[in-house]
Amino acid sequence: AQKVTQAQTEISVVEKEDVTLDCVYETRDTTYYLFWYKQPPSGELVFLIRRNSFDEQNEISGRYSWNFQKSTSSFNFTITASQVVDSAVYFCALSGNNNNDMRFGAGTRLTVKP
Amino acid sequence: DSGVTQTPKHLITATGQRVTLRCSPRSGDLSVYWYQQSLDQGLQFLIQYYNGEERAKGNILERFSAQQFPDLHSELNLSSLELGDSALYFCASSGGLPYGYTFGSGTRLTVV
Repeated sequence: AQKVTQAQTEISVVEKEDVTLDCVYETRDTTYYLFWYKQPPSGELVFLIRRNSFDEQNEISGRYSWNFQKSTSSFNFTITASQVVDSAVYFCALSGNNNNDMRFGAGTRLTVKP
Repeated sequence: DSGVTQTPKHLITATGQRVTLRCSPRSGDLSVYWYQQSLDQGLQFLIQYYNGEERAKGNILERFSAQQFPDLHSELNLSSLELGDSALYFCASSGGLPYGYTFGSGTRLTVV
């Protein structure tokens, strides 16, 4: 069975603070993909990153960075120097071999205060 | 614009009614997925279609059904609506495992 756990339900930070959103996953597939999506207050789901199970390199995109560690089945997301516009719900998701569905975590609601 | 089109954007209907949500996938994508997001809830997978055939079912109620047409657009039919069916319904399409999903902007259904 595939499962994604985002233990942090809500996080509140002050602007310019760094914040890390945790994601732990479970899968028996050897090939799988991990994703992060952002859902701003407007409701749409915005794709942030995709990482396959064979690529453990960390990735940085501007203020965003992702730390993928297979040994701990984690795919954490860090926002550096957070901004008010980063306020949103962030979802971690997992898709296995068969691509029959993507399992989402419960989401972490991030509030960045000015 | 993500390339996945969902209509309508908003829908208000009464309990007991039936509605149809429509999704046009991104050009070239054969897979369509439907998700339900209730208030303050995560995304629940409902059903997947691939090139016209049902591929996988999630937590989809018997009152709900879906289909994918030859032109690859998909419709999600919700019948005998209850207040608890009020939610944001997302459609996503995919061109295959490595590419992830592209989501539409969702249909917000309110049952009164």
